[in-house]
Amino acid sequence: QKEVEQNSGPLSVPEGAIASLNCTYSDRGSQSFFWYRQYSGKSPELIMFIYSNGDKEDGRFTAQLNKASQYVSLLIRDSQPSDSATYLCAVKGRDDSWGKFQFGAGTQVVVTP
Amino acid sequence: EPEVTQTPSHQVTQMGQEVILRCVPISNHLYFYWYRQILGQKVEFLVSFYNNEISEKSEIFDDQFSVERPDGSNFTLKIRSTKLEDSAMYFCASSSIWTADGTEAFFGQGTRLTVV
Repeated sequence: QKEVEQNSGPLSVPEGAIASLNCTYSDRGSQSFFWYRQYSGKSPELIMFIYSNGDKEDGRFTAQLNKASQYVSLLIRDSQPSDSATYLCAVKGRDDSWGKFQFGAGTQVVVTP
Repeated sequence: EPEVTQTPSHQVTQMGQEVILRCVPISNHLYFYWYRQILGQKVEFLVSFYNNEISEKSEIFDDQFSVERPDGSNFTLKIRSTKLEDSAMYFCASSSIWTADGTEAFFGQGTRLTVV
């Protein structure tokens, strides 16, 4: 059974600070990793994806991937109240077809003014 | 900005009835998916569709479910005989060509299905 694990939170972050979110996965051969943001009652919105070990930056967001440790993280710099949402980690496993993602349960982030 | 659109936004149906959820994927996308999210639970994969056929389906996607691309723009999910446990938010998603590394999959705003 392939698993994607995230701390459920809530993660409380002061405005302007860095939010650090973690995700671990069980399928060692997983290929691609995605971070989605989901506001309550809304659909997942893609933030970024990463497939190579190391860091990938996009604006205030940085994804970090360590395949040896089966770990992917998301950093949100200069956190804003509008960043308050649930952040979903999604993983494409080695044997999964493209578009078949295993989602984690999500980490709720609350940015406090 | 192109987006995936779903209709209706909310559907209430009686147990045992058939429902069809509709989706218009982004126009130049080739891969289409349905996911669902039961309230308070994870987003779960149902089915992927490419080149007018199912690429992969999950254990959830049993004989009660079917998908169709009846024309060049719509992508539908049919549930033949709804059960109470089918109540969930159903998301359609689409993506363009997948490279060896991945690509972006965009989600529609969802259809909330309530079975009573």
